[in-house]
Amino acid sequence: GQNIDQPTEMTATEGAIVQINCTYQTSGFNGLFWYQQHAGEAPTFLSYNVLDGLEEKGRFSSFLSRSKGYSYLLLKELQMKDSASYLCAALDSNYQLIWGAGTKLIIKP
Amino acid sequence: EAEVAQSPRYKITEKSQAVAFWCDPISGHATLYWYRQILGQGPELLVQFQDESVVDDSQLPKDRFSAERLKGVDSTLKIQPAELGDSAMYLCASSRGQATTDTQYFGPGTRLTVL
Repeated sequence: GQNIDQPTEMTATEGAIVQINCTYQTSGFNGLFWYQQHAGEAPTFLSYNVLDGLEEKGRFSSFLSRSKGYSYLLLKELQMKDSASYLCAALDSNYQLIWGAGTKLIIKP
Repeated sequence: EAEVAQSPRYKITEKSQAVAFWCDPISGHATLYWYRQILGQGPELLVQFQDESVVDDSQLPKDRFSAERLKGVDSTLKIQPAELGDSAMYLCASSRGQATTDTQYFGPGTRLTVL
C-alpha cells in the first residue's frame, strides 16, 4: 500500500531551528511536496523536490533522499507565525498526491 | 496573484438536507480537485476533473455526493442528503495540467457542519 509517515506534533522555541521528517512508500515516485496549513485555513505550497538533495528557500529548506524514501522540512529562525501544520505529500506513478496526516508545529516564546 | 475561489466559506445544515459548494479555479488551470479534510488528517481526494471530464472519482460516495464542471471552468460539489459524518473542510484545488508535477493551489475551503 501507499503510506506517508510524519510526526503528529512537534514543539520548538521562537528563534530556533526545527526539522520535520517525512517517510514515504508509494507506487512509483514523481516528487514530494510540502504544504503549510494554518488552523482553519487551506494548505499553501512551500516546496517541491524530485531530485536528491537540499532546496533552500529563505528560512525554509527541504531535503529529499529517494533511495531512503525520506524527506525533511527545515525551518530556521522560527517565528510565532510559523505555528501551523506541515503536510508532506508524495506524487505517485499516476501523478496522484498521497498525503500525510500533517505535523502540528507549536512555537513557544 | 491569481487565487482559487470557493463559496460559501462556512455552511451549517441539518442532516438529510442538501448542500452545494462552488469553486472557481485559477484562470487557465485545466485540472480541478475536490478534497475533504477531517481535523487532524491530510486531505482526501474526492474527485478530479480534467477540463469538463472526470478523471478520478473512485473515493466519491456516489450515493450522496455529485460533482460537475460543465464548461470546464468552475465546479460544484453537492451532497444530498447530508449526514453527520460529512462534517469536514471541503477544499478545492487547481493545477495547470494533468498527470504532471504541476503544483496544486488551494482555495480557502468550505467548513461544513452537519447538525
